[in-house]
Amino acid sequence: KNQVEQSPQSLIILEGKNCTLQCNYTVSPFSNLRWYKQDTGRGPVSLTIMTFSENTKSNGRYTATLDADTKQSSLHITASQLSDSASYICVVSAQVDMRFGAGTRLTVKP
Amino acid sequence: GAVVSQHPSWVICKSGTSVKIECRSLDFQATTMFWYRQFPKQSLMLMATSNEGSKATYEQGVEKDKFLINHASLTLSTLTVTSAHPEDSSFYICSAFPQPGWTGELFFGEGSRLTVL
Repeated sequence: KNQVEQSPQSLIILEGKNCTLQCNYTVSPFSNLRWYKQDTGRGPVSLTIMTFSENTKSNGRYTATLDADTKQSSLHITASQLSDSASYICVVSAQVDMRFGAGTRLTVKP
Repeated sequence: GAVVSQHPSWVICKSGTSVKIECRSLDFQATTMFWYRQFPKQSLMLMATSNEGSKATYEQGVEKDKFLINHASLTLSTLTVTSAHPEDSSFYICSAFPQPGWTGELFFGEGSRLTVL
């Protein structure tokens, strides 16, 4: 069983709208959680990195939250743009291990 | 930010031939590099972890003799797909850590698309 579950699997929204992607994990002991954006045919690019003590971290229109107690994280995208269309991958690290979520494929339509 | 470069970005080869993909850390020394493969519309699948100067650690189900990984220097790791077959066609991505236990950003290459005819 994958230790990192992302939802939804795919999402279509209109340009300008907000959306929230979810990441639930069971990886233990928790070290950090990373959100990446991957454009089709490209390597992933880091959006945020969160450690145990961080609840919220923003990077422009991207805001990630972390609840280490419930082992849940979310990535909120504000005022979406066409260029936000990509796969968003949640990566959770234990001390010596990394687990990748299956990703959420976001499509922003005009 | 740190840069990880992959070469070639795409390659087409005939079935039965071997293909080498390079992963270079351009502005830092990468003691640890990771290799992934990614099928269309799926997430990254970790294939192996390589530490400079030692043998790679392969994930369960990944054939060591099929996917040869060499990490001979702190800035270069190579993945060789031996006797490639059409089912090996995939997107291969590498990533790098500056040091073991690094908890900061994981730097990814741009990926290499392999098509085996």
